[in-house]
Amino acid sequence: NAGVMQNPRHLVRRRGQEARLRCSPMKGHSHVYWYRQLPEEGLKFMVYLQKENIIDESGMPKERFSAEFPKEGPSILRIQQVVRGDSAAYFCASSAQGSTGNEQFFGPGTRLTVL
Amino acid sequence: GQQVMQIPQYQHVQEGEDFTTYCNSSTTLSNIQWYKQRPGGHPVFLIQLVKSGEVKKQKRLTFQFGEAKKNSSLHITATQTTDVGTYFCAGPTSGTYKYIFGTGTRLKVLA
Repeated sequence: NAGVMQNPRHLVRRRGQEARLRCSPMKGHSHVYWYRQLPEEGLKFMVYLQKENIIDESGMPKERFSAEFPKEGPSILRIQQVVRGDSAAYFCASSAQGSTGNEQFFGPGTRLTVL
Repeated sequence: GQQVMQIPQYQHVQEGEDFTTYCNSSTTLSNIQWYKQRPGGHPVFLIQLVKSGEVKKQKRLTFQFGEAKKNSSLHITATQTTDVGTYFCAGPTSGTYKYIFGTGTRLKVLA
């Protein structure tokens, strides 16, 4: 049973470009969380999605950031017009059930570097 | 808003020494989870505590949930070099599906 998959593992973008991060949850999981981690810091919640629905996006900046989890295919975190401050590791996690109290399985992360 | 703090931020121990990290939430938690992240890696779930005063053990690791469900601790007995990493606690915000992660404790074990 494959774990959570994220790609790319490393992404380099110039300021103003778009970054598109993909996350495939574990088989059987329909709940996806995205987190952002700056170097030497903790994990900051960004967004929680179920298939075709955004449940909670309170941790995601209103501008330039968007997320989706279509019926078919991976969850996508999109950052438009990236700036240097967007450089971070972005982790997604999946769980079998969305209600709090269930183990989250994390992917390996995408390390985004904005030049 | 809700905050989850951990102390200490860093801890260096000699191999074989014990280690404890403490997690404190500004609000009461319905449950608390602990994760370990190795350097350059991703967080890995360790355990979840739900009941007030609950204590769970995993080999050399002992986890405790406070009576008021606002604090928790992780104790490692006789640390090994494989214990190196950052330990995070995480608790859900009331009424949401969002987990707030603690600030983390980075453990280094000196051989």
